[in-house]
Amino acid sequence: EAQVTQNPRYLITVTGKKLTVTCSQNMNHEYMSWYRQDPGLGLRQIYYSMNVEVTDKGDVPEGYKVSRKEKRNFPLILESPSPNQTSLYFCASSVQGGAEAFFGQGTRLTVV
Amino acid sequence: GDSVTQMEGPVTLSEEAFLTINCTYTATGYPSLFWYVQYPGEGLQLLLKATKADDKGSNKGFEATYRKETTSFHLEKGSVQVSDSAVYFCALRLLSRKLIFGTGTRLQVFP
Repeated sequence: EAQVTQNPRYLITVTGKKLTVTCSQNMNHEYMSWYRQDPGLGLRQIYYSMNVEVTDKGDVPEGYKVSRKEKRNFPLILESPSPNQTSLYFCASSVQGGAEAFFGQGTRLTVV
Repeated sequence: GDSVTQMEGPVTLSEEAFLTINCTYTATGYPSLFWYVQYPGEGLQLLLKATKADDKGSNKGFEATYRKETTSFHLEKGSVQVSDSAVYFCALRLLSRKLIFGTGTRLQVFP
């Protein structure tokens, strides 16, 4: 089954404690991206990757890092989380030039 | 800059009512347009899409037509069901493959 898998689904952490949210896709897609969803703001892109070892900032990259060492994986790293990063995070993938994006189930992060 | 504007919710309807959720966009060039749906506790799923002017996307009884002259992509359904209750996002996709989303519209359908 074609899917994008994120882990964990829920996470509560404390300010400053480094964390990683994993994202994996099994569709051999080149393009992957991370979004955060906040009430009244919709989804905003954090980072994206057009292929292995090629990443770039989206609209709200501050406080986040990503890496793309393998085509299927695109982890999101918060080196020092802060309460304003409390949000619902989605990973998505698509083929290069393809129209449809496939989304993971989401990770609800709370930073206290 | 490029953006998507959709009507604020929640939209509250009785079962079998007619649904319209308005969406307008601002973009340079000719974007592809999408409606995504998010059911409670789930990720976004593509509902329908249109890639050029006058295209009509349709799926599960929902329809939307790409109107270049009014820069709109309104979502419609003739008879909603309780199971259609969800959050609906209008989005555009640029040549860069970046998706730009509207803020989402929550639909609540009551029996």
